Amino acid sequence: QKEVEQNSGPLSVPEGAIASLNCTYSDRGSQSFFWYRQYSGKSPELIMSIYSNGDKEDGRFTAQLNKASQYVSLLIRDSQPSDSATYLCAVEISGGYNKLIFGAGTRLAVHP
Amino acid sequence: DAGITQSPRYKITETGRQVTLMCHQTWSHSYMFWYRQDLGHGLRLIYYSAAADITDKGEVPDGYVVSRSKTENFPLTLESATRSQTSVYFCASSVVREPPYEQYFGPGTRLTVT
Repeated sequence: QKEVEQNSGPLSVPEGAIASLNCTYSDRGSQSFFWYRQYSGKSPELIMSIYSNGDKEDGRFTAQLNKASQYVSLLIRDSQPSDSATYLCAVEISGGYNKLIFGAGTRLAVHP
Repeated sequence: DAGITQSPRYKITETGRQVTLMCHQTWSHSYMFWYRQDLGHGLRLIYYSAAADITDKGEVPDGYVVSRSKTENFPLTLESATRSQTSVYFCASSVVREPPYEQYFGPGTRLTVT
């Protein structure tokens, strides 16, 4: 059974701080990884995708991938109250061509 | 640019009835997906389609039927709805040019089976 694990939270951070969200996965052959943001009652919104080991930055967001440790993280710099949401980690199944396994999500709360 | 739309947005139906959820995308993406999202389970793949007339099962396909006669449409049918199918259903689509193949989600349909 291929799995994606996330801490459910809530992760509470003060406004302006760095929020660090973590995800581990069991499928050693996975190549592509995604972070989605989901506000309550809304659909998942893609915020980052990463394919290679290392870091990928996009604005205030940085995705970090370590395939050897089977670990992917999302850093949110200068956290804002509007970042308060559930963050879903998704991993492409190896050999599954475009099929994703999702973690249950981490709830982030940014307080003023 | 409408992107990906789903209808209806909310549906209440009775046990045993057939219900069809619609998904339409304007991007001409080749891949389309149906997920359900339940508390405690996260998003789970029901069915997916690589192109018109090509569909395959995901993680939780039992009780569902899909078809894809046109690239832009991917309806999901519950042949005989059960209470366990009460959920939020999301459709997604993806273009496959080079990895990572990003999936984009529709607004969702909240289905209640009574």
